[in-house]
Amino acid sequence: DAKTTQPNSMESNEEEPVHLPCNHSTISGTDYIHWYRQLPSQGPEYVIHGLTSNVNNRMASLAIAEDRKSSTLILHRATLRDAAVYYCILRDVVLTSGSRLTFGEGTQLTVNP
Amino acid sequence: NAGVMQNPRHLVRRRGQEARLRCSPMKGHSHVYWYRQLPEEGLKFMVYLQKENIIDESGMPKERFSAEFPKEGPSILRIQQVVRGDSAAYFCASSPGTSAFDEQYFGPGTRLTVT
Repeated sequence: DAKTTQPNSMESNEEEPVHLPCNHSTISGTDYIHWYRQLPSQGPEYVIHGLTSNVNNRMASLAIAEDRKSSTLILHRATLRDAAVYYCILRDVVLTSGSRLTFGEGTQLTVNP
Repeated sequence: NAGVMQNPRHLVRRRGQEARLRCSPMKGHSHVYWYRQLPEEGLKFMVYLQKENIIDESGMPKERFSAEFPKEGPSILRIQQVVRGDSAAYFCASSPGTSAFDEQYFGPGTRLTVT
């Protein structure tokens, strides 16, 4: 599995934007970039995914570098509920059905009131 | 539409006993994944199942652990002769199985404590 590198922790203030970086210099052409997050004492939840183009959904935006060697998850206005561990995960689109998620260490996001 | 359900949410077992963890996937989902999160560690994949089939068990410990997903009923993760090192949070996830990168929906987890 291609490896991802994320900062161990980041801090933000409530209602400010947060940019969570992820490096994936060995990404292959068939890898999708997925983000999940895990709130305290809960199971992980899907946030967003993309291949080449930037993506937006109700939770966040995903900005993907032109060479695809890095990406940034953007939370436009952080809330206290966004405090979680954020995981950047690569998934191979070539697989025909199902694939495990390989979680790294993730980034612990702290949101200050 | 109910999400992924896991029970029990908390389970205490003495060393040497058996632990059975249950996972009911979301309605319409035929793929189930089990992950384990040891204290102060990250999530690790254990096993991937479809109905009546184990697709990938490369993350399962070689002994004492088994998983099944029968045609009817929930998926079961079974740990025989538990040891203290089995104490962890066990998460189940499900997906519809329509593509290789389906979003996985996670349950709330079962927290196993071995005394």
